[in-house]
Amino acid sequence: GENVEQHPSTLSVQEGDSAVIKCTYSDSASNYFPWYKQELGKRPQLIIDIRSNVGEKKDQRIAVTLNKTAKHFSLHITETQPEDSAVYFCAASMSSGTYKYIFGTGTRLKVLA
Amino acid sequence: NAGVTQTPKFRVLKTGQSMTLLCAQDMNHEYMYWYRQDPGMGLRLIHYSVGEGTTAKGEVPDGYNVSRLKKQNFLLGLESAAPSQTSVYFCASSYGTGREKLFFGSGTQLSVL
Repeated sequence: GENVEQHPSTLSVQEGDSAVIKCTYSDSASNYFPWYKQELGKRPQLIIDIRSNVGEKKDQRIAVTLNKTAKHFSLHITETQPEDSAVYFCAASMSSGTYKYIFGTGTRLKVLA
Repeated sequence: NAGVTQTPKFRVLKTGQSMTLLCAQDMNHEYMYWYRQDPGMGLRLIHYSVGEGTTAKGEVPDGYNVSRLKKQNFLLGLESAAPSQTSVYFCASSYGTGREKLFFGSGTQLSVL
């Protein structure tokens, strides 16, 4: 069935180090891959997204890479800061006639000061 | 412009009781979604709608019903609540191309005793 796998489930890094979160998806027709950040008690917020015709996208300290052949995409955060601590979700659009978004299970990132 | 508004924010039910969660958006979005969020499970799609008068099943539809009688509103119903439905429920909406940002509501914390 349609699914998105996300790893790791938890990640601790020292402030200033980089963090990488990886996702794989099952639907080869997926063409849109967003990443959401959810702070404690808050709603998920989009931080970056990538479309299938692009291999990499950057926005300041965050970047996303996409490997369509392997059906992998990853979130990279450089120079991590304490305010980066949150749960991060990847998602993929599933094109089963109508578009819907399937989310990964989330990664809890802790940035240690 | 309020975005996506969910009511209520908190609710406690007894097993077997029924309730309706209301989601309203003022952005003229075509697509609306209901997700549930459980620890370690990420965001799982319950039902979604691609336009007024339409509904479709997501990943975990059992025990829930939905209606989209007006474009701006998407209702989630629990006919006979069970403890397994204790969760945080998020409504979201989007323009409907399948390749754009989801706007989330602030969530509803539901406990079923």
